[in-house]
Amino acid sequence: GENVEQHPSTLSVQEGDSAVIKCTYSDSASNYFPWYKQELGKGPQLIIDIRSNVGEKKDQRIAVTLNKTAKHFSLHITETQPEDSAVYFCAASMGYGGATNKLIFGTGTLLAVQP
Amino acid sequence: SAVISQKPSRDICQRGTSLTIQCQVDSQVTMMFWYRQQPGQSLTLIATANQGSEATYESGFVIDKFPISRPNLTFSTLTVSNMSPEDSSIYLCSVVLRTVEAFFGQGTRLTVV
Repeated sequence: GENVEQHPSTLSVQEGDSAVIKCTYSDSASNYFPWYKQELGKGPQLIIDIRSNVGEKKDQRIAVTLNKTAKHFSLHITETQPEDSAVYFCAASMGYGGATNKLIFGTGTLLAVQP
Repeated sequence: SAVISQKPSRDICQRGTSLTIQCQVDSQVTMMFWYRQQPGQSLTLIATANQGSEATYESGFVIDKFPISRPNLTFSTLTVSNMSPEDSSIYLCSVVLRTVEAFFGQGTRLTVV
């Protein structure tokens, strides 16, 4: 089955710097890759996603890139702010095409943005 | 997105007892999922609960331990049965909208003592 690895497990940056979190997946049939932000005591919040037919997607300070050949995708946060501090999870699914919508999650990255 | 409400938000339970967690969605959805998040860990899928069919359980999870009901398109329950301290986790329900986008409730934080 699908396996998703995520690095780093913790990341500390200064406010205003960029943060990059990387994930790799094992199943080439995966075609949907969302990113979630989880704040303490809350459920995961979908912040951006990318389909396998797209190489990059951007939404304001957040961007995601996908390399299907290498089977890895990355989250990029620019101009980080203290409120970006949270745990970030990547995930993969074969959702497009209707095979299954179940998500396989990475192990999470604790991002700390120092003011 | 969808508004997903889970009850209870947290509970402390005695070992050997059972707890039923409710998940209410503000719109009709076909696909609902239950996940477990052990302390400081990632999310693991317990089962898929589609209305009109039996829940489908992932490897390592069984119906006797985690019975699920899905009586309609806006509601589901997950029961954690015969609890032990190892069941202490956050339990999350999730719905899928627009084919693939998954949204989560705020979770139920369960502590078994």
